[in-house]
Amino acid sequence: DSGVTQTPKHLITATGQRVTLRCSPRSGDLSVYWYQQSLDQGLQFLIQYYNGEERAKGNILERFSAQQFPDLHSELNLSSLELGDSALYFCASSVGGTFQGDTQYFGPGTRLTVL
Amino acid sequence: AQKITQTQPGMFVQEKEAVTLDCTYDTSDQSYGLFWYKQPSSGEMIFLIYQGSYDEQNATEGRYSLNFQKARKSANLVISASQLGDSAMYFCAMRGAVNFGNEKLTFGTGTRLTIIP
Repeated sequence: DSGVTQTPKHLITATGQRVTLRCSPRSGDLSVYWYQQSLDQGLQFLIQYYNGEERAKGNILERFSAQQFPDLHSELNLSSLELGDSALYFCASSVGGTFQGDTQYFGPGTRLTVL
Repeated sequence: AQKITQTQPGMFVQEKEAVTLDCTYDTSDQSYGLFWYKQPSSGEMIFLIYQGSYDEQNATEGRYSLNFQKARKSANLVISASQLGDSAMYFCAMRGAVNFGNEKLTFGTGTRLTIIP
């Protein structure tokens, strides 16, 4: 158990819908990262938050947004869903310091299926 | 930009044998970190081992060791005395120079390891 929790574990929805994925980081970690794992794209970095502020953006679609709350949990919002958004979405957390050994620990993932 | 290459899509290894999973990387950064993660069929990503670019010794964590050859830009994972529970996907990942906002991991495509009893 990494200490990172993600809900829900599975999500099945229809095209055009909007969903929210939730993540709670490990105790003491200030950084939260979101990654998408799909068969065609592999593991891709989406976005990072540090202590409530957006810190880095990757290959995140405009239909996707995220935020980190004062209690440090984070939510990833996916809207106008398309079939190609079906993937495993991971949240990871780390202490968030700018040191090379800062390790990211991953949650169990949310498997999103868009029908 | 960082790039990770894992050239072995799949490997089959006899139980109790040692196995080496290959990883090569490309970066222009002088300082970087290399990580290995395990993804069992259940889907979670489990951190295994870390190697810093300035570390003089190869990292070890229990049965896992990292064969770091900086000049060759390779960071192979070695699993000693393999067990059935080692069957999983293994991902090599890299973090570039430590700068604000540059903390993301770049992953390879993974190697699926199957341990044969």
